[in-house]
Amino acid sequence: EPEVTQTPSHQVTQMGQEVILRCVPISNHLYFYWYRQILGQKVEFLVSFYNNEISEKSEIFDDQFSVERPDGSNFTLKIRSTKLEDSAMYFCASGRENTGELFFGEGSRLTVL
Amino acid sequence: AQSVTQLGSHVSVSEGALVLLRCNYSSSVPPYLFWYVQYPNQGLQLLLKYTSAATLVKGINGFEAEFKKSETSFHLTKPSAHMSDAAEYFCAVMRVGGYNKLIFGAGTRLAVHP
Repeated sequence: EPEVTQTPSHQVTQMGQEVILRCVPISNHLYFYWYRQILGQKVEFLVSFYNNEISEKSEIFDDQFSVERPDGSNFTLKIRSTKLEDSAMYFCASGRENTGELFFGEGSRLTVL
Repeated sequence: AQSVTQLGSHVSVSEGALVLLRCNYSSSVPPYLFWYVQYPNQGLQLLLKYTSAATLVKGINGFEAEFKKSETSFHLTKPSAHMSDAAEYFCAVMRVGGYNKLIFGAGTRLAVHP
């Protein structure tokens, strides 16, 4: 069964460092997302990506964040200069249609020291 | 603005007992509603969804949910809990035409004891 894969599963970084989280969405999906979940809090929407551009982003997704789909298979989230409060589990998700049925990866846990 | 509220961050039931997880939504337009489940160390998995067809929606693993517009609720139920149902459950709302942007509730952790 096709699945969304994310790497790395866990990354530890120093405050101020750049981090890139990688995702391989399901191959025939057209809609791509990043969500995050700070420990003990709710899952929060960060950004949606469709037709090679950002379709919507939350207020969390400031200038320090960017997304890219550099080729036909990968979808990346970059944080330019990490802050302590960026520590969270980051989930990539993809969807084939605009129906809310999303397929999530297992997440990348980011720890900023 | 859309939001969902899940009543009860932790619910504990006995194996074989009824499972009831509560979700109330707020939306200025007819929403799509979802329940997702997260097993330990895994991503979220869709349990079921309401998209304005039948108000009683059946999902995987014996779960179902009923959309009640008058109560703005979308509670999740299962007649008989199984040990394998222990997980965190998230209710979510989506604005129709909203590029799949899901707004999640805070989650309810379900514990099932023998």
